[in-house]
Amino acid sequence: NAGVMQNPRHLVRRRGQEARLRCSPMKGHSHVYWYRQLPEEGLKFMVYLQKENIIDESGMPKERFSAEFPKEGPSILRIQQVVRGDSAAYFCASSPSSASGNTIYFGEGSWLTVV
Amino acid sequence: AQTVTQSQPEMSVQEAETVTLSCTYDTSESDYYLFWYKQPPSRQMILVIRQEAYKQQNATENRFSVNFQKAAKSFSLKISDSQLGDAAMYFCAVSGRFGAGTRLTVKP
Repeated sequence: NAGVMQNPRHLVRRRGQEARLRCSPMKGHSHVYWYRQLPEEGLKFMVYLQKENIIDESGMPKERFSAEFPKEGPSILRIQQVVRGDSAAYFCASSPSSASGNTIYFGEGSWLTVV
Repeated sequence: AQTVTQSQPEMSVQEAETVTLSCTYDTSESDYYLFWYKQPPSRQMILVIRQEAYKQQNATENRFSVNFQKAAKSFSLKISDSQLGDAAMYFCAVSGRFGAGTRLTVKP
């Protein structure tokens, strides 16, 4: 039973380019979470999605960032016109249902470097 | 809204000794779970222990145990017989929200 799969593991983008990070949840999980971790800092919640729905995007920057979790395929975190401050580790996690009552399982993270 | 606070940015413990990491939280939910995750230098997030809020009994997992005080909204992690491999960042989590983390150093 594969765990949460994130790709790419490492991504380098020039300022102004777009970054797309993908996350395939664990089998049977319908809830996906995205977190950002800056160097030497904690995990900052970004967005919580169910299939085809955004449940909570209170942690998403208002501009340039978007997330989706389509009916088919992985969840995607999209960052447009990247800036150096976007350089961070982006973690995806999944759970069978809401995090209130379920353990969330993490992927190994995607490291974005903006040059 | 949910908030999770870890007031100890860094902690240190001697190998084989016991250390307690603190966590307080606030949530509007009546039924929830609480978690401690460990993040070693590899940056992988590893579940250490979880507690069901409706259970009065504190969760235990080998050398790891929690002190859950629901009324005080406190959820501390106790690590007994600390080992060098316990050195890591530790994150408390409630309802998908994480604290800022505590960096634990284990001295040989």
